[in-house]
Amino acid sequence: AQKVTQAQTEISVVEKEDVTLDCVYETRDTTYYLFWYKQPPSGELVFLIRRNSFDEQNEISGRYSWNFQKSTSSFNFTITASQVVDSAVYFCALSGASGGGADGLTFGKGTHLIIQP
Amino acid sequence: DGGITQSPKYLFRKEGQNVTLSCEQNLNHDAMYWYRQDPGQGLRLIYYSQIVNDFQKGDIAEGYSVSREKKESFPLTVTSAQKNPTAFYLCASSPGQGIPTGELFFGEGSRLTVL
Repeated sequence: AQKVTQAQTEISVVEKEDVTLDCVYETRDTTYYLFWYKQPPSGELVFLIRRNSFDEQNEISGRYSWNFQKSTSSFNFTITASQVVDSAVYFCALSGASGGGADGLTFGKGTHLIIQP
Repeated sequence: DGGITQSPKYLFRKEGQNVTLSCEQNLNHDAMYWYRQDPGQGLRLIYYSQIVNDFQKGDIAEGYSVSREKKESFPLTVTSAQKNPTAFYLCASSPGQGIPTGELFFGEGSRLTVL
């Protein structure tokens, strides 16, 4: 069975601080995909990034960066110089070998990030 | 605009009543999903459908039913058998099998409250 653990239920930081959201996963598949989604107060989940299990390169997109470490089964997400608009619930998710997510993604419980002005 | 439309956004139901949540997509995706979100619980899969006229139970299917008569539509019925139906319901779609992206596209959700 697959499992995603986001141990941080809620994080509160002051604007412009850096913040890292942790994600640890469990899977028996050798091929899998990891995701991060953002859920603003409006409710809709917004896709941020997908990473496949064979690509351990870190990725940076503007103020966002992701650190994938297969050895520790972790896929952490860092926001640099946080802004109030970053306030949201962030979900880490995992899909199986099909990759197409045809049988759905397994989500963590989410981390509520609060950026204080 | 291409996307997923869920309706209604807010819904109130009396105990013992069935209620149907609508989900329509114009992305031409094969696969569609229903998730339930409760505070502190993340998203849990209720049902999913990989193709028209076929669907499978997810992790928490009891008390729910679905149909997939058309590619673009995947309505969810919350029946009176669902013990604790108050929740936020999210519909999603993806291109389907054979397309290794895994990305799900989500609607804005429907919030169901049982009075």
